[in-house]
Amino acid sequence: QQQVKQSPQSLIVQKGGISIINCAYENTAFDYFPWYQQFPGKGPALLIAIRPDVSEKKEGRFTISFNKSAKQFSLHIMDSQPGDSATYFCAASKKNAGNMLTFGGGTRLMVKP
Amino acid sequence: DTEVTQTPKHLVMGMTNKKSLKCEQHMGHRAMYWYKQKAKKPPELMFVYSYEKLSINESVPSRFSPECPNSSLLNLHLHALQPEDSALYLCASSRDRGSNQPQHFGDGTRLSIL
Repeated sequence: QQQVKQSPQSLIVQKGGISIINCAYENTAFDYFPWYQQFPGKGPALLIAIRPDVSEKKEGRFTISFNKSAKQFSLHIMDSQPGDSATYFCAASKKNAGNMLTFGGGTRLMVKP
Repeated sequence: DTEVTQTPKHLVMGMTNKKSLKCEQHMGHRAMYWYKQKAKKPPELMFVYSYEKLSINESVPSRFSPECPNSSLLNLHLHALQPEDSALYLCASSRDRGSNQPQHFGDGTRLSIL
């Protein structure tokens, strides 16, 4: 049972465009939603994270939008660059549950020059 | 550079071999994790250590044996592995197992079973 559904599986964006990756969850006990970026041959790196008490969080070109009522959250990459080409994983964890992460299936992003 | 160091980066072993993967962090973190990642898939949790004690074993076969000798070091001992165990093995650490603690991943060991 996939508790965090991520879409699309792959995404191609032109340089300078906006990349949008979406995630949806069912379990309302989730209260922390990180995004990880993984380059080939590397481990996942924490990119940005949000808690459900805010609707948006921005760090540089990366923004998380959170819709608690719809149980959805998304990552927006503004002014996408070829160096952003990587696999992105959304994740979720529950409060007081030992910091266990439930990952989405991943999105392979390619930014064309 | 990642603050979680994993060695070796690559490992090829036969099904009868015994080998070990090593993970080290010097961030003072007291929670450490082993994950398995297959190609084009998200990481799957295998084990969690908290304050050097095993707290989670996600029904991992006994041919994988974790060990946490001290707060900075985590090992994964491998014996009699199967070809389907070929994968990227990732180590991660967090300050502790409290809520919302960021997990920091190493770059993994790419394991191939012949």
